[in-house]
Amino acid sequence: RKEVEQDPGPFNVPEGATVAFNCTYSNSASQSFFWYRQDCRKEPKLLMSVYSSGNEDGRFTAQLNRASQYISLLIRDSKLSDSATYLCVVRDNNDMRFGAGTRLTVKP
Amino acid sequence: NAGVMQNPRHLVRRRGQEARLRCSPMKGHSHVYWYRQLPEEGLKFMVYLQKENIIDESGMPKERFSAEFPKEGPSILRIQQVVRGDSAAYFCASSPLGQAYEQYFGPGTRLTVT
Repeated sequence: RKEVEQDPGPFNVPEGATVAFNCTYSNSASQSFFWYRQDCRKEPKLLMSVYSSGNEDGRFTAQLNRASQYISLLIRDSKLSDSATYLCVVRDNNDMRFGAGTRLTVKP
Repeated sequence: NAGVMQNPRHLVRRRGQEARLRCSPMKGHSHVYWYRQLPEEGLKFMVYLQKENIIDESGMPKERFSAEFPKEGPSILRIQQVVRGDSAAYFCASSPLGQAYEQYFGPGTRLTVT
């Protein structure tokens, strides 16, 4: 089983749609969780941390379910500029484990 | 505050040559991480360094790969006797002392082995 698993997609959605990505992780002792976005041929950029109580940043909502070892990212009112690959990241001690990413394309 | 810098951005090497990739962390950051990303795949952790110390090299191939982060100067990832399978994007990330959880990435070095 992979340490961090994501549905690779692609997700193709119209502008304004709501889209959700899921991620599961294998190490129940994992300590911190993040979502990064990566544009084609660019470096990953931190989108948001994921807190136990769930957190929101504008149109983005992240949730964590430790019991199920599951993280989610919800994007509301999606924009063309949201098109990217979204990486689920889990920290175990000093190691950051990256999922392979979920590709999102938002179409006009 | 300049971000993480990597150079060169693109590097072409013939099989058997050496590749040297450099990374300068963000100002004030003393933790450096190297990752490799193969086409259409996720990032794979390679090595975690602090100044003059390798903290975790569990992701480094046992042969031909080495990394350092000297007291002065950038961190260097060195690949000896490159093979075609080494072609990938190599990303460096840095984080501040005591906050290993938020990492900021450089633009990457794209290595092509011909």
